[in-house]
Amino acid sequence: GAGVSQTPSNKVTEKGKYVELRCDPISGHTALYWYRQSLGQGPEFLIYFQGTGAADDSGLPNDRFFAVRPEGSVSTLKIQRTERGDSAVYLCASSALAEDLGEQFFGPGTRLTVL
Amino acid sequence: QKEVEQDPGPLSVPEGAIVSLNCTYSNSAFQYFMWYRQYSRKGPELLMYTYSSGNKEDGRFTAQVDKSSKYISLFIRDSQPSDSATYLCAMSASNFGNEKLTFGTGTRLTIIP
Repeated sequence: GAGVSQTPSNKVTEKGKYVELRCDPISGHTALYWYRQSLGQGPEFLIYFQGTGAADDSGLPNDRFFAVRPEGSVSTLKIQRTERGDSAVYLCASSALAEDLGEQFFGPGTRLTVL
Repeated sequence: QKEVEQDPGPLSVPEGAIVSLNCTYSNSAFQYFMWYRQYSRKGPELLMYTYSSGNKEDGRFTAQVDKSSKYISLFIRDSQPSDSATYLCAMSASNFGNEKLTFGTGTRLTIIP
């Protein structure tokens, strides 16, 4: 596929459960971002990877949220002890380093619902 | 106060009208200004971007940035029903794809045939 893909597209879980959300970036893109979009709001930054390392994790709301990118390609966002307030669309984006704007290409998102 | 403010709308206009969408911001470090379009249940897609102050035109779309007023605008001419979507302004302090984006709330736009 040419674009960013995210799985699952929808995830329903119960309060207190653990969830993993997966992102497959565009091939060759070294930068990967996670954003969270609540209903009626714009995306909010969570974490940014450059290669395998988290270059900026200042947007993670608390220590229940964690993300990895072990081989510098696929990334997994992990949420422990989910709360109803975690319900949102989780968006992943990737970009390539460029002299001009390094456009961030977004995936379709994973819609997480915590009951 | 949010770093980026955007009127959420909704905004409804008849087909063919000129649409004006706006954002204000408070962070002077922002240098790159973008407009994303987001259709329902889809990810945002980049529509236009502008570096620093000035105007940029692309077909029916014009982006304007006034850094002195910390105000950016997107104009859509000859609006079409297919333009119906949520429009998000976004900003960053640097480019090269290594900077987080700060988004506005998004304005939901409907073009009425």
